[in-house]
Amino acid sequence: DQQVKQNSPSLSVQEGRISILNCDYTNSMFDYFLWYKKYPAEGPTFLISISSIKDKNEDGRFTVFLNKSAKHLSLHIVPSQPGDSAVYFCAASSTTNSGYALNFGKGTSLLVTP
Amino acid sequence: DTGVSQNPRHKITKRGQNVTFRCDPISEHNRLYWYRQTLGQGPEFLTYFQNEAQLEKSRLLSDRFSAERPKGSFSTLEIQRTEQGDSAMYLCASSLRRRSNTEAFFGQGTRLTVV
Repeated sequence: DQQVKQNSPSLSVQEGRISILNCDYTNSMFDYFLWYKKYPAEGPTFLISISSIKDKNEDGRFTVFLNKSAKHLSLHIVPSQPGDSAVYFCAASSTTNSGYALNFGKGTSLLVTP
Repeated sequence: DTGVSQNPRHKITKRGQNVTFRCDPISEHNRLYWYRQTLGQGPEFLTYFQNEAQLEKSRLLSDRFSAERPKGSFSTLEIQRTEQGDSAMYLCASSLRRRSNTEAFFGQGTRLTVV
């Protein structure tokens, strides 16, 4: 059972525009959410996170929004750059899970075109 | 390099053989995780250690899989009697236990191909 869902397998955006990647989750126990970026043949790289006590976290060009009532989060990249082209994974964990094991979505492949 | 290191990067083995992978976490990190990623999927949790203690195992971790972290530093993941379905990228990650949540840092992975 997929507890974290990324329903868009791919997204293409023009350089300079906004990229919006979406993620939905089903487990109401999840209270910490992360976005990872992955290039081919490399491991995932941490991008940004948000705790359930917040609804927004910003780091440079990256902003994550959390809507707990809808069990939905999104990653905004502004402005998008060609180097942002990668697969983006949404992940969630529960602090009641002592190990903070991450539950990942299937990923969204972002292509930023010049 | 102070990141998570995994060896080997690639492993091709014949079905039925045993394989062992190694992970060296970030030195001050006391938590270590193993994940598996297959094509078109996100990483799936296998097991985690806090220091040398293995505290959680996923149901994905069959009896043919065993993981150790003998001195609370590096870890090994062994797969016995490999099957073609074991072909995947095996990812190791580490994190530092703190009061607040903290992100896990991943290694580059070991790609296993069972032929």
